[in-house]
Amino acid sequence: QQPVQSPQAVILREGEDAVINCSSSKALYSVHWYRQKHGEAPVFLMILLKGGEQKGHEKISASFNEKKQQSSLYLTASQLSYSGTYFCGTALRGGYQKVTFGTGTKLQVIP
Amino acid sequence: NAGVMQNPRHLVRRRGQEARLRCSPMKGHSHVYWYRQLPEEGLKFMVYLQKENIIDESGMPKERFSAEFPKEGPSILRIQQVVRGDSAAYFCASSPGTGGLLTDTQYFGPGTRLTVL
Repeated sequence: QQPVQSPQAVILREGEDAVINCSSSKALYSVHWYRQKHGEAPVFLMILLKGGEQKGHEKISASFNEKKQQSSLYLTASQLSYSGTYFCGTALRGGYQKVTFGTGTKLQVIP
Repeated sequence: NAGVMQNPRHLVRRRGQEARLRCSPMKGHSHVYWYRQLPEEGLKFMVYLQKENIIDESGMPKERFSAEFPKEGPSILRIQQVVRGDSAAYFCASSPGTGGLLTDTQYFGPGTRLTVL
């Protein structure tokens, strides 16, 4: 039931792009993306609802493919501040508040 | 507007003692969630509470762990007779509970790092 994220880890140089994927075996209603820096709390990035929408937040955007039960997080022109572990969280139905988090993708941006 | 507050930030207990972790949700939030995170691992759901009600405790160990969210005051996660395996970071999150057909966004507190000696 836990969503699976890929890759598990990635190292980028500043300015490079990255894609993080989140897949589920169950039909999803919404996908939530968070970033967590070492020793800190997870910070909310964005939420996507079923319907294949795509959202953007500066140079970080995401898509949700309802048919594939998959969401992807796109980081473009990465900055050092993007380093951290990215988690996707999935909810199975509307109005149900429990979110199950994925295994995490560790992203390191180097100069 | 203060965010989610957790205390203590660090807690050291000896095996067999009790640990009490507190979480004050954001102002206006009525839903609280507790998660456990082991080093280099993901967030494991433990329990979801609304004021005076446990909504989903499917992630709580059957023994020694309990949680409450009283009408007044913070939510408490209580671990009795702690063992070394309980050492972890425990995060609390809150949401407004106004999502309706949607799933609320959860906002996380800074966590409590529990170390069991």
